[in-house]
Amino acid sequence: GAVVSQHPSRVICKSGTSVKIECRSLDFQATTMFWYRQFPKQSLMLMATSNEGSKATYEQGVEKDKFLINHASLTLSTLTVTSAHPEDSSFYICSARDPNKETQYFGPGTRLLVL
Amino acid sequence: SQQGEEDPQALSIQEGENATMNCSYKTSINNLQWYRQNSGRGLVHLILIRSNEREKHSGRLRVTLDTSKKSSSLLITASRAADTASYFCATAGTASKLTFGTGTRLQVTL
Repeated sequence: GAVVSQHPSRVICKSGTSVKIECRSLDFQATTMFWYRQFPKQSLMLMATSNEGSKATYEQGVEKDKFLINHASLTLSTLTVTSAHPEDSSFYICSARDPNKETQYFGPGTRLLVL
Repeated sequence: SQQGEEDPQALSIQEGENATMNCSYKTSINNLQWYRQNSGRGLVHLILIRSNEREKHSGRLRVTLDTSKKSSSLLITASRAADTASYFCATAGTASKLTFGTGTRLQVTL
């Protein structure tokens, strides 16, 4: 079946540094990818919609200068958490929408811990 | 917030029993989907039901949808210990964005 990968799976960084998370669609070309954030024991909250070749669409309350999204190809979207702070520590999950289907395929997630 | 709600928040049953989870949402939808998440992992798509469908089956899963009540239920029959996970409903509107429910944590004990 369709597979979406994320890298890295886990990252620990110091406060003030930037962290880049990659999301790759391995089985199909994804014109649209989504980035979610999940706090412990809570649901997924959509952060932004990543569109190949154009600017991402951010949800209300999500700082676009804080969370930079680049969707440079049909199989890769990146999320960069800039100047990370401890409150950015979370589980970040991406998904890719198969244009031929109605479902989204989710990556395994990236756990970010900012010290 | 457009987020839907699920109940119960947590459910503990014994292997072999059935598990029922409910989801309520607020806006009109194109379809509703159910996902499963093992602790600290990504989401696995279980089943999708369209707004013009009322019931759907997939293996041990049975999903119902009542658009007049804006609610859905997921039934897992003959549960197994391996079914232990969190289950989320997600609604999709016209923009393909998914809005997730609050989730139900299911514990199946031997």
